[in-house]
Amino acid sequence: DADVTQTPRNRITKTGKRIMLECSQTKGHDRMYWYRQDPGLGLRLIYYSFDVKDINKGEISDGYSVSRQAQAKFSLSLESAIPNQTALYFCATSDQSGFVMETQYFGPGTRLLVL
Amino acid sequence: SQKIEQNSEALNIQEGKTATLTCNYTNYSPAYLQWYRQDPGRGPVFLLLIRENEKEKRKERLKVTFDTTLKQSLFHITASQPADSATYLCALDPGYSSASKIIFGSGTRLSIRP
Repeated sequence: DADVTQTPRNRITKTGKRIMLECSQTKGHDRMYWYRQDPGLGLRLIYYSFDVKDINKGEISDGYSVSRQAQAKFSLSLESAIPNQTALYFCATSDQSGFVMETQYFGPGTRLLVL
Repeated sequence: SQKIEQNSEALNIQEGKTATLTCNYTNYSPAYLQWYRQDPGRGPVFLLLIRENEKEKRKERLKVTFDTTLKQSLFHITASQPADSATYLCALDPGYSSASKIIFGSGTRLSIRP
């Protein structure tokens, strides 16, 4: 979805390196999310942010940190990458919709390989 | 433990037939359930949402059912086409007490052969 962009699209790094994945959106949504996807495990939530001043841990936040620089930008950092962080990473946005389950709009993904 | 399972990792069917994908969950009581489509190398795309008080929802050739007693959702594609080949993910809201706002299944890879 061109409304949600991720950079880089592919990245190879070495164990112990710091790496940042960036996400930008033009949908005007307040809510942004970072997921990782592994074969057989589905999408798992790492962090989410409901606005610039609100950051929350998801189910698998250990080893990751995030920064919400603006409404449109949400970056994910691996402070010291390890091989089991090799995965496909997705950024997503959603619009606050009250009591209805929010539809997620996903970026194209970043494929990360940690050697 | 809480789980959401999509029973078939892969499903192959003949073009023109109806594809039926299954999503089962345990120890959740979701008020909503969603289905997404994911193509290789791309992010998931939202298809349908169904509420717990809705038995069935339709959109063109797609039909979703939601049985809260069986804790199961079925996703049907009628008159299937090769262009329907993709991975389909179900997702549910786990409730306010969960650290996650939405829980995804691992997906079913659907292949439609001509």
